[in-house]
Amino acid sequence: GAGVSQSPRYKVAKRGQDVALRCDPISGHVSLFWYQQALGQGPEFLTYFQNEAQLDKSGLPSDRFFAERPEGSVSTLKIQRTQQEDSAVYLCASSQGLAGRYEQYFGPGTRLTVT
Amino acid sequence: AQTVTQSQPEMSVQEAETVTLSCTYDTSESDYYLFWYKQPPSRQMILVIRQEAYKQQNATENRFSVNFQKAAKSFSLKISDSQLGDAAMYFCAYTYTGTASKLTFGTGTRLQVTL
Repeated sequence: GAGVSQSPRYKVAKRGQDVALRCDPISGHVSLFWYQQALGQGPEFLTYFQNEAQLDKSGLPSDRFFAERPEGSVSTLKIQRTQQEDSAVYLCASSQGLAGRYEQYFGPGTRLTVT
Repeated sequence: AQTVTQSQPEMSVQEAETVTLSCTYDTSESDYYLFWYKQPPSRQMILVIRQEAYKQQNATENRFSVNFQKAAKSFSLKISDSQLGDAAMYFCAYTYTGTASKLTFGTGTRLQVTL
């Protein structure tokens, strides 16, 4: 079937605007992850869902970041009052279960530029 | 906290030759997984190879193999018979087998393949 998809692929926001980034995981995958990848860096963990339950949000950098997965499939990462330091590629990944045993499949990412 | 270190920001290899990318990690866990991911310029992250810490045998996938030294906490990737399509960013990543499934990535190594 189809892989992980993300939309939009590119987003330009003015400082202070709110943005919403969407992730469509592979059908049937119970685990969903969000990562933030700054330019020239490796991805950094933001948050993790198992079905609709957000089990780990320790990587969210501030209370301006919020993620949800209300029906256990599509997920949305919302950033309120965007700042320049939020500029990065936001990657979504899904897997059948725990990361070690099951491969994480990544989407193409959303490149967010805050001006 | 777990950390992953890739000390080679860039590497270059001639087509058909062999190259080794280095990775070290730090963890107090005994049961974990290590990964090499490839990220071509299109940005979609692809799993190259996976190693389970409790397995002493080094993982291999076609032209890709690892040298896993658990005591030294070292996990290098060897690419044999390099091809132009191998050019990409390569990230070393770690996760442990606890309830948290997040991946911890290194900063990456950019591999160039020349004719």
